[in-house]
Amino acid sequence: NAGVTQTPKFQVLKTGQSMTLQCAQDMNHNSMYWYRQDPGMGLRLIYYSASEGTTDKGEVPNGYNVSRLNKREFSLRLESAAPSQTSVYFCASNERSEKLFFGSGTQLSVL
Amino acid sequence: GDSVTQMEGPVTLSEEAFLTINCTYTATGYPSLFWYVQYPGEGLQLLLKATKADDKGSNKGFEATYRKETTSFHLEKGSVQVSDSAVYFCALGNTGGFKTIFGAGTRLFVKA
Repeated sequence: NAGVTQTPKFQVLKTGQSMTLQCAQDMNHNSMYWYRQDPGMGLRLIYYSASEGTTDKGEVPNGYNVSRLNKREFSLRLESAAPSQTSVYFCASNERSEKLFFGSGTQLSVL
Repeated sequence: GDSVTQMEGPVTLSEEAFLTINCTYTATGYPSLFWYVQYPGEGLQLLLKATKADDKGSNKGFEATYRKETTSFHLEKGSVQVSDSAVYFCALGNTGGFKTIFGAGTRLFVKA
């Protein structure tokens, strides 16, 4: 009963380092999403993939890239991390804007 | 554009008190409305939803009614428990795309 699995759970980076956050879902959902959560700002959409082979920008895409590797997997890459990217990152999936299923989150600190 | 506004927190209540968390929305079309809950250290999970006007969503003693005339979807619970302490997010979806729009979240503390 895995649902949405994100790795890693915690990460500390230095400014300028790169890293990739991994996400996989086992519910055969077409759509996958990356959100960031910051205090007082709720969840903001970074990128989404409506279906395998497509990706689109969300509200706050700058500084990020994504890859929809296959139907199960959707990764988020920070090419050159900045302190402003310190946040909690959530991956989610669903079908046609219905109920979202979330991973447990990645807490990222950029020093 | 579409948006969700919910009351600022934190909200602090004693056990068995009545809870209301206000949520209003702006949307074109006919969105579905959701309440998600986030317990400490976890991702969000769906608490309840409503898909059309006058629908009432309910789960675990929580209720919310989709009010098109007031564009609201207020969350209520008659008697809160310490275990209800969490952050609650109002959201709207199915707005012509694939993007769910979230409110800022309301943190609830329930004291024994």
